[in-house]
Formats: sequence, C-alpha cells, structure tokens
Amino acid sequence: QQQVKQSPQSLIVQKGGISIINCAYENTAFDYFPWYQQFPGKGPALLIAIRPDVSEKKEGRFTISFNKSAKQFSLHIMDSQPGDSATYFCAARPDHAGGTSYGKLTFGQGTILTVHP
Amino acid sequence: NAGVTQTPKFRVLKTGQSMTLLCAQDMNHEYMYWYRQDPGMGLRLIHYSVGEGTTAKGEVPDGYNVSRLKKQNFLLGLESAAPSQTSVYFCASSYWGTAPEAFFGQGTRLTVV
Repeated sequence: QQQVKQSPQSLIVQKGGISIINCAYENTAFDYFPWYQQFPGKGPALLIAIRPDVSEKKEGRFTISFNKSAKQFSLHIMDSQPGDSATYFCAARPDHAGGTSYGKLTFGQGTILTVHP
Repeated sequence: NAGVTQTPKFRVLKTGQSMTLLCAQDMNHEYMYWYRQDPGMGLRLIHYSVGEGTTAKGEVPDGYNVSRLKKQNFLLGLESAAPSQTSVYFCASSYWGTAPEAFFGQGTRLTVV
C-alpha cells in the first residue's frame, strides 16, 4: 500500500524554468514532510522540510507548499538550473504520539528531474 | 566527520549465497534504518532499530535479517540471496524530536545472479 503518491515520475525543464513536483498522502497522522534530493551514485540528502502548521516554506529557490485539507504538498524549484538535475523524493513521517511509528519515513516513488541548459 | 558509512559499495552474489551489509554511523543517533531502492518504487523500509539491541520489521522484511549489537552499527543480512533482492540498499540514521532529519549512507549496489 503506497501511502505517499508522487508525480510526475520524470520531468524535463529548461534552464530558468519552474519545476513542480507533487505528492499526496493518506495517513492523517503524518506530521513531518521532508523532500530529499539524490544525485546519481549518492544517497538521498535532506533538501527542505515542512510541518503541517504552516502552508509554505521557502529556502532559496526551493519552496514547499502544503495543503492540509487536501492532504497534498508540493516542491517548487524556481529558476531551475542544470545542477538541480537529480531524483527528488517526497516523504512523510507520523507523529511520535502515534506509538509505533519510531520516526519511520514513508517515501514517494521519486521524480527524475532533468534541467536542460 | 564520516556520517553514515556503508560497506561494501558493490557486490555480486549467486542465488542462494549469503552476505552481510554493514552500516556504521558516528553521530550517536538512536534510530537506524535499512531501505531498498528500486526503479519506480521509491525507498522502501526493510528493517529498523530504535536503539542498541532492538530491531523491528519494516514494509518489506522478508528474506532479510538485522542486528544492532552496538549503537553505532546496524547490520543487514541476506541468508539465501534471490534475484528479487537485486537492488540498491541504503542505510540511514536519525535522532527523534526536533531534529528528525535522516542521514543516508552512499548505498550498496547488490546484484544477485
């Protein structure tokens, strides 16, 4: 059962354009929503994260938009650069009060982003 | 500061062979995890540990065993490898609470023939 659904599977953007990746979740106990960036041959690394008490978080060219009622969140990459070409994963983690969650992250399927120069 | 280190980085196994993947972290994290990454499937949790001497099953535990004898190490074992276990394996570690970021190792690419 896929609790976090991510789209699109792949995305091609021109340099300077906006990249948008969307995720939807089912478990209302999720309370932490990170995005990870993975370059070929490397492990995923935290890019930006948000908690459901805010609707948007921005760090440089990267912005997370969060819609709690729709159970959706998205990553926007402004002024996309060739160096942003990577695989992006959204993820979600339940509240510790959920008991047996123990910090387990549930990941989306991943989006391969290619930014053409 | 090494972070999370996985060994080996690459391995080819024959069906039925066994092996152990080692994960070591130097950040004094309580929580450690093993994930597998397959195309179009994202990262799926195999097993995890919330502290030394504890382990628990994740989403896809069948065919794998784990041990956490020391806080800094988390071992993933394949007792009888199958072609379906061909994958890239990632170890991760994290704190809980206000700093829940998970730190990942570089991965182990395993091929079972």
